[in-house]
Amino acid sequence: GIQVEQSPPDLILQEGANSTLRCNFSDSVNNLQWFHQNPWGQLINLFYIPSGTKQNGRLSATTVATERYSLLYISSSQTTDSGVYFCAARLNTGFQKLVFGTGTRLLVSP
Amino acid sequence: DSGVTQTPKHLITATGQRVTLRCSPRSGDLSVYWYQQSLDQGLQFLIQYYNGEERAKGNILERFSAQQFPDLHSELNLSSLELGDSALYFCASSGNRGRTDTQYFGPGTRLTVL
Repeated sequence: GIQVEQSPPDLILQEGANSTLRCNFSDSVNNLQWFHQNPWGQLINLFYIPSGTKQNGRLSATTVATERYSLLYISSSQTTDSGVYFCAARLNTGFQKLVFGTGTRLLVSP
Repeated sequence: DSGVTQTPKHLITATGQRVTLRCSPRSGDLSVYWYQQSLDQGLQFLIQYYNGEERAKGNILERFSAQQFPDLHSELNLSSLELGDSALYFCASSGNRGRTDTQYFGPGTRLTVL
């Protein structure tokens, strides 16, 4: 099945810093989603981005489907950005399940 | 708020018991998915229902079963519980426009088996 890898596994930032999180996937996908899991365990949808670039406030994401990777950019980080960021991908054929990466744990300190 | 609701939020039970987790999808969504998040296995797909019918199965144990009712809500039944079943269980839903729909996740049910 499809493999989804995320890097880095852990990231510590000072408030105000920028960061880039990476997601590599092993097969062609027709769905790539980014999530933020907050300290209470909730999975918050950030982006649905099977290809191209999207921006939402301080966050933006780019997926290069032909090269099988996606990037999540966080600018001017805030303490509320802390948590775990997951990417999840769905194969171009077959089942509709999402396959999750192992996540990037982000800690933003004041 | 994703529009997907799950009850209960927390559940504490003993080994060998049976529990039922409930999920109501977003209005209009026909597909419901169940995922399990445990410390050692990460987030894994369990099962999908579409308009009342089972569509796909993942790493779901035989002790677990699910169904989707005519009003589209879904229940996940976990029986003969073991310590290792302690996890966060998420329900997600998506629309009926094909494979490219965004999946929206509920707040999860945290199950603790003692």
